[in-house]
Amino acid sequence: DTAVSQTPKYLVTQMGNDKSIKCEQNLGHDTMYWYKQDSKKFLKIMFSYNNKELIINETVPNRFSPKSPDKAHLNLHINSLELGDSAVYFCASSPRRDTAHGELFFGEGSRLTVL
Amino acid sequence: RKEVEQDPGPFNVPEGATVAFNCTYSNSASQSFFWYRQDCRKEPKLLMSVYSSGNEDGRFTAQLNRASQYISLLIRDSKLSDSATYLCVVSRTGANNLFFGTGTRLTVIP
Repeated sequence: DTAVSQTPKYLVTQMGNDKSIKCEQNLGHDTMYWYKQDSKKFLKIMFSYNNKELIINETVPNRFSPKSPDKAHLNLHINSLELGDSAVYFCASSPRRDTAHGELFFGEGSRLTVL
Repeated sequence: RKEVEQDPGPFNVPEGATVAFNCTYSNSASQSFFWYRQDCRKEPKLLMSVYSSGNEDGRFTAQLNRASQYISLLIRDSKLSDSATYLCVVSRTGANNLFFGTGTRLTVIP
């Protein structure tokens, strides 16, 4: 059983399209995240939800909209895709909102390529 | 200035070698420190936490110098399976997320 699962794993699409990435965790965690890892391997937080409530919304274009229907799911919808959106998007979950313990459980990543 | 800075490498070392990675962090409010490992085209996974007194886990030793805002990871007796990117990670007081360095790439050569 995969603890944090993302779909799709690969996504190739044209500029201007709208796409979604889904994430589900079966760990019973309250906090979920979306991170973006660019071509230089820099992993940066985009959003964080705690029990369906948005708690972190970094400086991300409003073309990106997260949705958390319940605490086990955090989906990411991207409108009007641009070339610069090409990256690997990682979903993660954590047992607590406070990250002092340091352990995030990541999904395998969704590799988005915008042509 | 980036929250966490690392030498990207690559570090190419022979099997059995000892290798050390360093990392600096910019925010003195940083409270917790970690090393993550990321294999090629895989997700990051927690390798170990870094405690003020230094800590060891098998062949891996992590150290923290709060005065210099510096973290290190030492790998002894390198194995081929240690080849990966090692990410330095910091948690800051009051923040609800982790700040990742860009990673140091290690390749262990037979």
